[in-house]
Amino acid sequence: QLQVQESGPGLVKPSETLSLTCTVSGGSVSRSSFYCSWIRQPPGTGLEWIGDIFYSGSTSYNPSLKSRVTISVDTSKNQVSLNLNSVTAADTAVYYCASHGIWGQGTLVTVSS
Amino acid sequence: DIQMTQSPSSLSASVGDRVTITCRASQGISNDLGWFQQRPGKAPKRLISAASSLQSGVPSRFSGSGSGTEFTLTISSLQPEDFATYYCLQYNSYPRAFGQGTKVDIK
Repeated sequence: QLQVQESGPGLVKPSETLSLTCTVSGGSVSRSSFYCSWIRQPPGTGLEWIGDIFYSGSTSYNPSLKSRVTISVDTSKNQVSLNLNSVTAADTAVYYCASHGIWGQGTLVTVSS
Repeated sequence: DIQMTQSPSSLSASVGDRVTITCRASQGISNDLGWFQQRPGKAPKRLISAASSLQSGVPSRFSGSGSGTEFTLTISSLQPEDFATYYCLQYNSYPRAFGQGTKVDIK
C-alpha cells in the first residue's frame, strides 16, 4: 500500500531555502501513472496547494509561489523534493506531500532567525 | 484561475444530525472534485473523489454529489468522530484550488 512521509528541517532562517523530502513507499515514482503534490497549511488557516510533479518530471506550480518553488523527483531514492527559496515568516506552515489520495503526516517548518 | 467557494465556513450540529456542506466553483469543473476531512492536529484524509466516489473504508454516512459548478458533501447522521474541518479541492485544471474549509463542531 502506498505511503508517503515528509522529512526535513523544522527551522529555517529568513531569506534561506526551505528543503523538504517526501519518501514514497509501496510504489515507484518511476511508474507511468505516478504523481505527487505538495500542500501547506499555515497555523490556524486552510490548505494551500503548492505544486504537482509527474513521473516524467513535468511540474505545475501555484502562481503565487512559482518564482520561488522547485519540485523534483529522485528515482534512485524513490523520493520527491520540495525547495522554496527566499523564505519569510509567511512561509511558516505544516507542509504535506500527497500522492494518489494518500497524505503524509505533515512536517512543521518555522521560519525564524 | 478557478476559485472554490465553500459554505458555510462553520456550523454547529448535534450527534445524529444531517449535515450538508456546499462547494461552488467559479467555472465548470465537470466532476473533478474531492472532499477531505481534517481532524485537529492530523493530516487531511480524502473521503470522496470524482465528486461522488466514496474512498475505501469511509463510512457510508458520507456522500457527495454535484457536477459542473455546484457540489455537496452530506453526512447523513453525524457521529462524534465527524467533528472536524472539511475541505473541497478542484483538480480539473491548474492551479489546483481548495475551498476555505467548513468547521463542524458540537452544538
